[in-house]
Amino acid sequence: KNEVEQSPQNLTAQEGEFITINCSYSVGISALHWLQQHPGGGIVSLFMLSSGKKKHGRLIATINIQEKHSSLHITASHPRDSAVYICAVGQGAQKLVFGQGTRLTINP
Amino acid sequence: SQTIHQWPATLVQPVGSPLSLECTVEGTSNPNLYWYRQAAGRGLQLLFYSVGIGQISSEVPQNLSASRPQDRQFILSSKKLLLSDSGFYLCAWTPGVWTETQYFGPGTRLLVL
Repeated sequence: KNEVEQSPQNLTAQEGEFITINCSYSVGISALHWLQQHPGGGIVSLFMLSSGKKKHGRLIATINIQEKHSSLHITASHPRDSAVYICAVGQGAQKLVFGQGTRLTINP
Repeated sequence: SQTIHQWPATLVQPVGSPLSLECTVEGTSNPNLYWYRQAAGRGLQLLFYSVGIGQISSEVPQNLSASRPQDRQFILSSKKLLLSDSGFYLCAWTPGVWTETQYFGPGTRLLVL
């Protein structure tokens, strides 16, 4: 079993829909990261959080430390949100463990 | 502002040939530097990290090696490439505390034939 599990693996939605991507982990962590990987391969860090909730524009990330679960939400989704979203957990010094990613496609 | 560069962007190499991928960071000092690999259809995997010049930690035993000859330069090497070395290689940096946001380079796509 992977230490970091994401669901769903693939998600297709219509423009404007509310999107939720889930991440569960089985190890103790100090921080959880959400990353966005565009079709060309480039990766952008969206959030780093260790408790509660963070919001940036239409993106919201939440984490429940007790349940070892995090969610990434996208409100009013747009085709430009189409990308692979990756959850990663910080585990010990200098190490991130990554989920497999969720491929999101938003159709116009 | 800080920027991170990787080259080459793409590379096609025969099995058994050597490899050298370079990563440089501008606009910061004493960064922590990381090499990741993303194999086809798989998640990112940490290969090496460095907290300073000449200090390299390996996460996964393999035929790859890393070096940090200068503060803002990180090099990934191999003496003899394997087919399984194909993948997307990403360099990243953090200001020095691992829990802070990681900034990724544009990546190098390597195909070993």
